[in-house]
Amino acid sequence: DTAVSQTPKYLVTQMGNDKSIKCEQNLGHDTMYWYKQDSKKFLKIMFSYNNKELIINETVPNRFSPKSPDKAHLNLHINSLELGDSAVYFCASSRRARQGPSLNTEAFFGQGTRLTVV
Amino acid sequence: LAKTTQPISMDSYEGQEVNITCSHNNIATNDYITWYQQFPSQGPRFIIQGYKTKVTNEVASLFIPADRKSSTLSLPRVSLSDTAVYYCLVGDTGGFKTIFGAGTRLFVKA
Repeated sequence: DTAVSQTPKYLVTQMGNDKSIKCEQNLGHDTMYWYKQDSKKFLKIMFSYNNKELIINETVPNRFSPKSPDKAHLNLHINSLELGDSAVYFCASSRRARQGPSLNTEAFFGQGTRLTVV
Repeated sequence: LAKTTQPISMDSYEGQEVNITCSHNNIATNDYITWYQQFPSQGPRFIIQGYKTKVTNEVASLFIPADRKSSTLSLPRVSLSDTAVYYCLVGDTGGFKTIFGAGTRLFVKA
């Protein structure tokens, strides 16, 4: 079974369209993330959700809206797509970390969704 | 947030030990040091995590000096399949603010 799965794997669409990327994790994790990897391979966190609650929104345009219907799902909806949105989007999940130097916040990543806006 | 600096790329040969050093001069008290590996067209994969001194698992070792301002990922006897990008991350215990740097592209030659 795939721990973190994203669909679709590839997405080609025209400017101005609205699209969604779905993510599901079967690890029982409380925290889920969306990352964007650009052409230079920099991985930037976009959103972080813990127990369906938004924790981080890292200066992402309002056109990007995450939706977490339950702890196992974190979908990403993008309105009015622009050329600059072309990138690989990764979903990830991890256990909620506790304070202290004895824990493991290992994040599990999906295979990525390559979005191409033309 | 602690920023990390690591070499852009490294070359090695099969069977050699590879050490990749990461600098994180402004690491905070609660920050952990985590390394991930990423193959082309795949998501990053956790390798190892540590707070101080040395950590070893079946894949790698992580050396962290007492001042924690740097860390070294050691890959014993690399193979061609270890060719990948290796990311050093420094983040708070919640993991929510974990930032990926530019990574080190390791190329292992036969």
